[in-house]
Amino acid sequence: QLVLTQSPSASASLGASVKLTCTLRRGHSSYAIAWHQQQPEKGPRYLMKLNSDGSHSKGDGIPDRFSGSSSGAERYLTISSLQSQDEADYYCQTWGTGTVVFGGGTKLTVL
Amino acid sequence: EVQLVESGGGLVQPGGSLRLSCAASGFTFSNYSMNWVRQAPGKGLEWLSYISSSSSNKYFADSVQGRFTISRDNAKNSLYLQMNSLRDEDSAVYYCARDGGASSWPKHFDYWGQGTLVTVSS
Repeated sequence: QLVLTQSPSASASLGASVKLTCTLRRGHSSYAIAWHQQQPEKGPRYLMKLNSDGSHSKGDGIPDRFSGSSSGAERYLTISSLQSQDEADYYCQTWGTGTVVFGGGTKLTVL
Repeated sequence: EVQLVESGGGLVQPGGSLRLSCAASGFTFSNYSMNWVRQAPGKGLEWLSYISSSSSNKYFADSVQGRFTISRDNAKNSLYLQMNSLRDEDSAVYYCARDGGASSWPKHFDYWGQGTLVTVSS
């Protein structure tokens, strides 16, 4: 069964960097994921698709401050030079044949 | 510019029905698979359903299987979600999302709409 695990919350200071983690269940470490950002009161926004080898393809207009990496069953989203508008919920998503799963989301607070 | 605009949400009684629409523009709609996703108040995202570009493949989450149907009209650049036998727990913001993969099953979602609110309550 596809399961994605995310920490419920994270925080970092304005101008700093933060690394968010999404963990695939054992046996699914080869799966690609996608990262999505949801700012308050808005619809989600696609950030990137992230493969198991760390290669990633970003959505239209996503700044270079957003990057992805992978290690085993872990998928990471790193945001550098944090800005106030980065305060949002971040969801990871993966898929199998005929199904899609989202992680529970991480609420990022920019201090 | 890719745009997805949902409509059709509103207040409905338990056991009732509602049909949501998603109007697509800025891309060749008939070339892309599409999805519906919902978000209950204060909760995370829940995938509901997928339809392939030609409507030949459809998938549903267990939570809505048998109650919801998905369809599309490529001539009208529109996606639909027919929701029957609605329950209190179906109250949520409903989003349509474009599928970024070229496949017969859902993959990553590369564009999202702004959502339409469905409230199921007596």
